[in-house]
Amino acid sequence: GQQVMQIPQYQHVQEGEDFTTYCNSSTTLSNIQWYKQRPGGHPVFLIQLVKSGEVKKQKRLTFQFGEAKKNSSLHITATQTTDVGTYFCAGDSGGYQKVTFGTGTKLQVIP
Amino acid sequence: SQTIHQWPATLVQPVGSPLSLECTVEGTSNPNLYWYRQAAGRGLQLLFYSVGIGQISSEVPQNLSASRPQDRQFILSSKKLLLSDSGFYLCAWNYGQGRNTEAFFGQGTRLTVV
Repeated sequence: GQQVMQIPQYQHVQEGEDFTTYCNSSTTLSNIQWYKQRPGGHPVFLIQLVKSGEVKKQKRLTFQFGEAKKNSSLHITATQTTDVGTYFCAGDSGGYQKVTFGTGTKLQVIP
Repeated sequence: SQTIHQWPATLVQPVGSPLSLECTVEGTSNPNLYWYRQAAGRGLQLLFYSVGIGQISSEVPQNLSASRPQDRQFILSSKKLLLSDSGFYLCAWNYGQGRNTEAFFGQGTRLTVV
């Protein structure tokens, strides 16, 4: 079945440093979504990318969808303590709309 | 607007006891519905998903089952809980039939089996 892996599993950064998490799917995706889960909370949708090579920005967050639509990345510039949480990518390989989540990257920001 | 309700928020159950977690969605019709489990500090494991009433797909063989008795109601059950069933259970929905697949999550149920 479809597998979606993320690296790294954990990341500790000093406040102000940049952070990147990478997402790789075993199958071609029709779209990729990114979610953020704060400690103790539930995942919250951040963004969806649909087109090959697409890049979208949300303030300090930059999302990229690979040309082959099998990988994606999330880059945070100048991290803040409010960025703490686990970031998940999620892929939909089409057909039955099933959303498969990646393994997640837990971000810790040291003030 | 659409909302998703999941209860209870926390639950402590003894090993061997039954389980019933309920999730309901309001403000939309014919959603896709999902049950995920998240072990402490881990990722989201898809347990079941449903694209319509009475249609349940199981992703992981285990002692859990799911049912969808109504269009916007999704129930996760077990006849006899195991210690390994402890975790954070999340219900989610998204639009079906080719529309935006953004998933909306409930607040989750933190289950501890003792």
